[in-house]
Amino acid sequence: AQSVTQLDSHVSVSEGTPVLLRCNYSSSYSPSLFWYVQHPNKGLQLLLKYTSAATLVKGINGFEAEFKKSETSFHLTKPSAHMSDAAEYFCVVSGPFYNQGGKLIFGQGTELSVKP
Amino acid sequence: GAVVSQHPSRVICKSGTSVKIECRSLDFQATTMFWYRQFPKQSLMLMATSNEGSKATYEQGVEKDKFLINHASLTLSTLTVTSAHPEDSSFYICSARHRTGANVLTFGAGSRLTVL
Repeated sequence: AQSVTQLDSHVSVSEGTPVLLRCNYSSSYSPSLFWYVQHPNKGLQLLLKYTSAATLVKGINGFEAEFKKSETSFHLTKPSAHMSDAAEYFCVVSGPFYNQGGKLIFGQGTELSVKP
Repeated sequence: GAVVSQHPSRVICKSGTSVKIECRSLDFQATTMFWYRQFPKQSLMLMATSNEGSKATYEQGVEKDKFLINHASLTLSTLTVTSAHPEDSSFYICSARHRTGANVLTFGAGSRLTVL
């Protein structure tokens, strides 16, 4: 079975400072992992995904995440926060699609606030 | 890129009426679509998996007679909330998986249902 835990429900940073959103996963398969962002009353946008290729994954808008199997982590980082980064972020795990029927398991979400 | 359109984006209805939400893949064929429900400040909960031409698979605890899902074509899935009640008020989001089986889902922008 797959599960994902986002360690912080809310993170607040100042504009221009680094962002770290933490995520730990549990998976009985070799996992696919994703980070999605959701702006208020909007759908979800894929930031980046890990699918067993390079462990350091670069996404859109300057975000990146590193898959660490030994720590079962997939933390999201960005060197310098921008006001437009304020949103809800979801860490998501999926088993191999053909075994899991394509289901995504969402973390609880982390609300990122960016102060001027 | 792949685009999924949801309609309506917002709907308000009276208690006891039924509401239909459409999910369309605009530029690709989707053999599988997923319906999620999101309560305010909470994560997405998978309601059901919809496969083109077959019955939807519902997650535990989701009433299939309450939330009717139809996936009649490779580009359209519909969710009908029957005899809606105020507790059905929520944000409903669909996602679609490309028929080639790519390990990425495209999400719609969501539909906010308010039942008075």
